[in-house]
Amino acid sequence: DQQVKQNSPSLSVQEGRISILNCDYTNSMFDYFLWYKKYPAEGPTFLISISSIKDKNEDGRFTVFLNKSAKHLSLHIVPSQPGDSAVYFCAASRNTGNQFYFGTGTSLTVIP
Amino acid sequence: NAGVMQNPRHLVRRRGQEARLRCSPMKGHSHVYWYRQLPEEGLKFMVYLQKENIIDESGMPKERFSAEFPKEGPSILRIQQVVRGDSAAYFCASSLAWGRTTDTQYFGPGTRLTVL
Repeated sequence: DQQVKQNSPSLSVQEGRISILNCDYTNSMFDYFLWYKKYPAEGPTFLISISSIKDKNEDGRFTVFLNKSAKHLSLHIVPSQPGDSAVYFCAASRNTGNQFYFGTGTSLTVIP
Repeated sequence: NAGVMQNPRHLVRRRGQEARLRCSPMKGHSHVYWYRQLPEEGLKFMVYLQKENIIDESGMPKERFSAEFPKEGPSILRIQQVVRGDSAAYFCASSLAWGRTTDTQYFGPGTRLTVL
């Protein structure tokens, strides 16, 4: 039962343009969301998070948007750089419980 | 300032053997989480431990899998009598506290288990 879904397995973007990675979730109890970035042969690295009391959180080139009514969040990277090429995982957690629920990941390729 | 360390990075076992995966959390972290990533899938939570305690093992298969985090030493994920379906990347993460809004989980590089 995949409670966090990333329906695009891959995305290619030109350097300098905006990358938009999408994530949908089914559990309305989720109230905290994160994005992780993963390079091959490495563990995921925390990128940015957002609490359900907000609808936007920005950190440099990275912005996460949360639409609670649609159970949808997105990660915007602008401008995209070749070093951003990696697999991006969306994750969610709920107030009770001790785990993050991860999506299946989106592989981003930024073309120079 | 070492991060989360996992060893071995690669482990090959034959069916029926035991696999032991080790995880040393970041310095000062007392919360450890194990995740498994099967091919073409996302990371799936397995177990959450604090020192000497299993807090949540709701993601652990009921048989053959066990985990511990002793007072001294690394956390160990143990898989007995491995089968081919156990082949996956196993990631360990650690946090200073329960890694939600107060902190986040920092991941190790993973152990890639291959069962022949």
